[in-house]
Formats: sequence, C-alpha cells, structure tokens
Amino acid sequence: EVYLVESGGGLVKPGGSLRLSCAPSGFTFSTHTFNWVRQAPGKGLEWVSSITSSSAYIYYADSVKGRFTISRDNAKNSLYLQMNSLRAEDTAVYYCARVRSADGTPYDAFDIWGQGTMVTVSS
Amino acid sequence: DIQMTQSPSSLSASVGDRVTITCRASQSIYRYLNWYQQKPGKAPRLLIYAASSLQSGVPSRFSGSGSGTDFTLTISSLQSEDFATYHCQQSYSTPFTFGQGTKLEIK
Repeated sequence: EVYLVESGGGLVKPGGSLRLSCAPSGFTFSTHTFNWVRQAPGKGLEWVSSITSSSAYIYYADSVKGRFTISRDNAKNSLYLQMNSLRAEDTAVYYCARVRSADGTPYDAFDIWGQGTMVTVSS
Repeated sequence: DIQMTQSPSSLSASVGDRVTITCRASQSIYRYLNWYQQKPGKAPRLLIYAASSLQSGVPSRFSGSGSGTDFTLTISSLQSEDFATYHCQQSYSTPFTFGQGTKLEIK
C-alpha cells in the first residue's frame, strides 16, 4: 500500500521552531518531487514548499520564505520541513504530498497525501 | 502569482443530480489543472489531473475539461459519498495555487 505519514506537529509559542517529518511507504521515494501544503482551520489549501527528487530545485511560498526550510534525505526515505520564527498565522494542518510524475518534475498533480499534522502557534 | 477562482463557493444538490464546478485561472495554465476532493478531517484526494485525466481508482462519473484559463469539473450523477469540498489547483508554475474551494452539500 502506498502512503505518507507526517509527524512533528504540536503547540509552539510565537517565534518558536518546529520540525515536521514525512515518511513514505510502498513506493520509491527518491524519484519523486514532494511538497508541503497547509490548511488553516476552516480555510482552503495553501501550497508551502516543493523539493525536487535530488534537491536540485527548491521553491517556497512568499509567506514562508526565509523562515521555513524544506529538505529531504533519500537514503533515509524522509522529507522534512524546518519551521522557524513561527507566527500565529502559521497555525494549520500541514500535509506532505507526492507529485504524481516519477520523472522528478514538480509540475504535476499531487497524487499521494499524508494524513496531516497539526501545528498550533499560540502563547 | 496565478490566481485561481472557483465558482460557486457552495452548492446544494441531490443524489442523482449532474453538477458542474468551474475554475478560472488569472492567466493561461494550458492544461496544468488538477481537481481534488476533500472530506472533513481528511486529506485531499486527487480526482483529475492535467485538466481531464481521471486518476486511477476514481469513479467515471467524475470528469474534467478545459484548457487555457477556464476549466470545469463535472459529476454526472451525484452519489451520497460525493458530498465534500472540491479544490482546483494549477501546477503550471510556482507558487502552486489552489482555488478557494467549492463545498457541495446535500439539498
């Protein structure tokens, strides 16, 4: 079975840091681009960041640029999101999502999603 | 950034109805348009990619069309399990923007 599992969410104070992880199962991790997508309570989906298969290309939403860092370790089959200088507006469920194409392109649909991990930024 | 606008924002329909949801991009995205279904408390599920390709395992009552800036998602005959929120998304360029969502409710 193909799936993703996120971990690392929790409650953090404004200005604090968290590191999210995403672990895949049932497919070859190293050939796909991955993304982080978030959803604030009661709101729509917001793309956060993307990393290509070899980490050659990394993209961020303006709302997190300079504060969040996406990374991956293909040897450990893991995706990460380091979140620093957290703000109340970063409160959301964070999903990792796989890009459908196995050729490494980021320009394709997100076909596999994790269950999400909740990040709450509050004093 | 490319803005994605869905309409309507919400929709009431009955089982068996034919339903169409529209998504408009602020500039041409060719056919880099994807549709997702999301149920409360769950992750989104890919339904349609590249504007009209049905994702594996998705019922054939779902279909997508369009290119350039205007796209539609059609559900040919609503089933009870289809009541959910639907999101469009462009994968043409970063940031990969989503529409605001269309909530499909039971009439």
